[in-house]
Amino acid sequence: AQTVTQSQPEMSVQEAETVTLSCTYDTSENNYYLFWYKQPPSRQMILVIRQEAYKQQNATENRFSVNFQKAAKSFSLKISDSQLGDTAMYFCAFMKHEVDYKLSFGAGTTVTVRA
Amino acid sequence: GAGVSQSPSNKVTEKGKDVELRCDPISGHTALYWYRQSLGQGLEFLIYFQGNSAPDKSGLPSDRFSAERTGGSVSTLTIQRTQQEDSAVYLCASSWGTGNSPLHFGNGTRLTVT
Repeated sequence: AQTVTQSQPEMSVQEAETVTLSCTYDTSENNYYLFWYKQPPSRQMILVIRQEAYKQQNATENRFSVNFQKAAKSFSLKISDSQLGDTAMYFCAFMKHEVDYKLSFGAGTTVTVRA
Repeated sequence: GAGVSQSPSNKVTEKGKDVELRCDPISGHTALYWYRQSLGQGLEFLIYFQGNSAPDKSGLPSDRFSAERTGGSVSTLTIQRTQQEDSAVYLCASSWGTGNSPLHFGNGTRLTVT
C-alpha cells in the first residue's frame, strides 16, 4: 500500500504572501500520478494541480506550483500571492499508473490565509 | 452543466439502522467512485464503478457496506446495521475515465450514527 504523509497539520499565511505545504510518499512504483486537492468548508474536493511522475518539469497552475523531487519522493505545493479564498484543507494524493482509479490521500493540511 | 450531486447532505441515524446514500454523477461520466472521510483524516477509497460494474470493491470496510450503480448513472451506497464508527463524510466522485481524467467530487453526505 502507498503511504502519503503530510507533516504539517496546520499552516497560517498572511494575505499576498507565499506558503509551502509538504508532502512525502512511499512507493516502489516508477510510474504514478501525484495530485493536490483543496477542500473548502463546502466539503467539495477540488483538484488544484497534478503531476505525472515521468515528467521532470514541475507542474504550475497560475499561483500554484509544485516542487517534485522523485528521488526524494517529495511533492510540495507552493501557493504564491495567497488570497483569502485559498483558506481550505489541502490534501496530497497518489495514484499508481497501473491502478489508475484509486487515490491514496494524506491526512491533509489546514491552510488559513489572514487578512 | 450540473456537477456531482449527493443526497442527503446530512444524515443522522440510530445505531443499528440501515442508511442509503445517493450519488448522481455528471452526465456521461463512466467512472464513479466512493470515498470516506473520517474526522480529521484524509479520504479512504471504498469502491469504484466502471459503467454498472464494480471492478474493485476492496475498500469496503465490511460486509455491512454495499453499493450499486444502475443505468451507468446513479449510485447508491448502503450501510446496514450502522455502527458509531461509520460516522464520517461519504464523498462521491465521477470522471470520464480513469488515469489522468480529473475527478469531480460532490459535496458529500455527513453521516452521524448516534
